[in-house]
Amino acid sequence: SQQGEEDPQALSIQEGENATMNCSYKTSINNLQWYRQNSGRGLVHLILIRSNEREKHSGRLRVTLDTSKKSSSLLITASRAADTASYFCATDLSQGNLIFGKGTKLSVKP
Amino acid sequence: EAEVAQSPRYKITEKSQAVAFWCDPISGHATLYWYRQILGQGPELLVQFQDESVVDDSQLPKDRFSAERLKGVDSTLKIQPAELGDSAMYLCASSSLGQGFDQETQYFGPGTRLLVL
Repeated sequence: SQQGEEDPQALSIQEGENATMNCSYKTSINNLQWYRQNSGRGLVHLILIRSNEREKHSGRLRVTLDTSKKSSSLLITASRAADTASYFCATDLSQGNLIFGKGTKLSVKP
Repeated sequence: EAEVAQSPRYKITEKSQAVAFWCDPISGHATLYWYRQILGQGPELLVQFQDESVVDDSQLPKDRFSAERLKGVDSTLKIQPAELGDSAMYLCASSSLGQGFDQETQYFGPGTRLLVL
């Protein structure tokens, strides 16, 4: 069963614009993680936010977490063509058991 | 930079045949995961190992799937017999869960894409 649901399913923007993806989940979590997957490849960890944190930054990435609404958002600022990929949120319920959403497919046009 | 290795990268097989996938985690990582990812979906956990022991295999179809990590290092996932619905990407990941810093981050291999005809 999938706990996380990303929104939108697909997003197309121009280079230089910001991209925002949202994730909603159903049950209490230890942490929430975002991963990127280039077409046909493995996943790459982007950022982890713990249940007691509200916001976290890493380079051009900004993640927020609202545990009262059971939602998170990933913001990519000043997007580049190389950011084109699928982005997944994953909720860690316990013991490293990650449950992934279906992902948001981001296309950044040069 | 240390990486998770998987082989083969691609596998085409006929239904009812046996297939096996191999994974070598990042050196020193005690926790190893096998995921299945159907096209257009997120990965779903099949089995989680802590050293050589299975921690979670609740989503593993045990009538046809088996996984082992005999020496607590590399791991093999087997499907016998393969069915058409098994066509998917099989991903291996490892982490240092319980071992300290950065323990929750999972590092993924490139995956094995399986096509069952």
